[in-house]
Amino acid sequence: GNSVTQMEGPVTLSEEAFLTINCTYTATGYPSLFWYVQYPGEGLQLLLKATKADDKGSNKGFEATYRKETTSFHLEKGSVQVSDSAVYFCALGTTNAGKSTFGDGTTLTVKP
Amino acid sequence: DAGITQSPRYKITETGRQVTLMCHQTWSHSYMFWYRQDLGHGLRLIYYSAAADITDKGEVPDGYVVSRSKTENFPLTLESATRSQTSVYFCASSVARNTEAFFGQGTRLTVV
Repeated sequence: GNSVTQMEGPVTLSEEAFLTINCTYTATGYPSLFWYVQYPGEGLQLLLKATKADDKGSNKGFEATYRKETTSFHLEKGSVQVSDSAVYFCALGTTNAGKSTFGDGTTLTVKP
Repeated sequence: DAGITQSPRYKITETGRQVTLMCHQTWSHSYMFWYRQDLGHGLRLIYYSAAADITDKGEVPDGYVVSRSKTENFPLTLESATRSQTSVYFCASSVARNTEAFFGQGTRLTVV
């Protein structure tokens, strides 16, 4: 079945450091790929997405590229800010059966 | 207001009681989902629905019941609450299969 494996956290960085959160997946077919962000006390919200191989999703300085050959969708940001502290989830789009698949989440803390 | 809303935001109940968590969306999205979020387990799918009157089990359905008589509502009922069902519950919706999900703010349920 479909699955998502995310880099284990927590991750602690200093402000302006480079961020990478690894995400690899196993899927039948070619689902869309998503990164969601969850701020404390809130629900998840979409950060970026990619719908097909080699697509690059980007938003708020974050980027991720849909790599079919390595089944990966790593999240990157060149210079993190304190306000980026949150939990990040990698996810596969829903299958024909309607089921969705999320990674376990990676907690990022950015220190000033 | 437009969007997806969950109620209540916080709930404390006793073991053995029935409790219903409400979810309402104003977009007429076809798909709706219930997840629970626990430390160390990420997001786990409880039930999902592809349309009104169509529901199906997710990863952890035992002890839960759902219904979807109207497109906009997707209540989740714990028939006889147990302490293991203490969690944060998120409802989500999406317009179609393989598209981004929109999440509610969550309901923090404590079973004592």
